[in-house]
Amino acid sequence: DGGITQSPKYLFRKEGQNVTLSCEQNLNHDAMYWYRQDPGQGLRLIYYSQIVNDFQKGDIAEGYSVSREKKESFPLTVTSAQKNPTAFYLCASSGLARPGGEQFFGPGTRLTVL
Amino acid sequence: AQTVTQSQPEMSVQEAETVTLSCTYDTSESDYYLFWYKQPPSRQMILVIRQEAYKQQNATENRFSVNFQKAAKSFSLKISDSQLGDAAMYFCAYRSSGNTGKLIFGQGTTLQVKP
Repeated sequence: DGGITQSPKYLFRKEGQNVTLSCEQNLNHDAMYWYRQDPGQGLRLIYYSQIVNDFQKGDIAEGYSVSREKKESFPLTVTSAQKNPTAFYLCASSGLARPGGEQFFGPGTRLTVL
Repeated sequence: AQTVTQSQPEMSVQEAETVTLSCTYDTSESDYYLFWYKQPPSRQMILVIRQEAYKQQNATENRFSVNFQKAAKSFSLKISDSQLGDAAMYFCAYRSSGNTGKLIFGQGTTLQVKP
């Protein structure tokens, strides 16, 4: 079945560590996105990519980094520079050929800093 | 820059009744898209309904319908015959007509359905 997978489901990080969240899609979508969700809040865009080997900062990119080496994959690294990384992270993808197409979301990764 | 506002942090409805969730947005664009997403306790985001700004007709999907008022920049979601499975957080989202596909989300409304 087509969809988006994220791993791991739960992730624990010690202070000062970098961690990488995985996101893979088999929907053949051009665009991929990373969002952060804090308790009781909406989704805020971290990074997005419209094409392989290219990506743009979203609203809250500081302390995060991404890569897009393959169309199917868009991993997110949470660096030690991110001061408050505990949150729920959602990956999404969207086909850009269809105007106004919706985004499809993965199941999310819950990151906790110990 | 575009903004999306959901002014009701929490709502409740009796099972089988109707409830309306509010959403307003701010934009200077004339062509755009609006969405309602549902996030149940599993936290999986699910698309509920989609509206193109150039269409005057309000979108409907089974028990879900919208009241799209372009001049007022309002996009409310009506849930008819509410079911226990409708209990979730609901997000309103805006997408520009440009090709980035970026979504701007409201803060969300938590809907409780009482049996």
